Amino acid sequence: KAGVTQTPRYLIKTRGQQVTLSCSPISGHRSVSWYQQTPGQGLQFLFEYFSETQRNKGNFPGRFSGRQFSNSRSEMNVSTLELGDSALYLCASSLADKGRETQYFGPGTRLLVL
Amino acid sequence: AQSVSQHNHHVILSEAASLELGCNYSYGGTVNLFWYVQYPGQHLQLLLKYFSGDPLVKGIKGFEAEFIKSKFSFNLRKPSVQWSDTAEYFCAVNAGNNRKLIWGLGTSLAVNP
Repeated sequence: KAGVTQTPRYLIKTRGQQVTLSCSPISGHRSVSWYQQTPGQGLQFLFEYFSETQRNKGNFPGRFSGRQFSNSRSEMNVSTLELGDSALYLCASSLADKGRETQYFGPGTRLLVL
Repeated sequence: AQSVSQHNHHVILSEAASLELGCNYSYGGTVNLFWYVQYPGQHLQLLLKYFSGDPLVKGIKGFEAEFIKSKFSFNLRKPSVQWSDTAEYFCAVNAGNNRKLIWGLGTSLAVNP
């Protein structure tokens, strides 16, 4: 089975721009979660989608948004980019919407904001 | 608010040494506990997990962890490390049926051959 894939892998943007990141979960997985990883803050939960519905949201500003499509693929969008948005954005998928489900991670999209 | 703390930020060991990485969490209810590992240049992958039952869980590559409820701890252990264990190790917790993972800041382990 193919793992979680994320595109693009690397991205350079300038302040004020917006960016869209894509995540394709493992086939059959219906839950997708997004995390931001930075050296100072570690991994922080952004949001989680299950069956096209946002189930959980972390403590990020409204500039961060996401969505999930009927095929479980998910996108996250960051508008009005700030320097502090530079990070590795990780997507994780799991089979169902249970807390005990193992989350499988993709390679991440490394975003650099200049 | 839930939090996870990993006490060791950087650990350097020689091959064959024993390893114990500490993880403590703050949450009073039912928790699910995870250890993930990130090898250089690779994805985060699951080492082991605890949901219920035997508090001593075994994972891949000879790792194990013990859940001590009274101490809110889930420490990771390996009796004899190898150079290939050089990686970043993350402890993560979610509460009950919530899939939102709360993460420790990670421990960077370097094993000298």
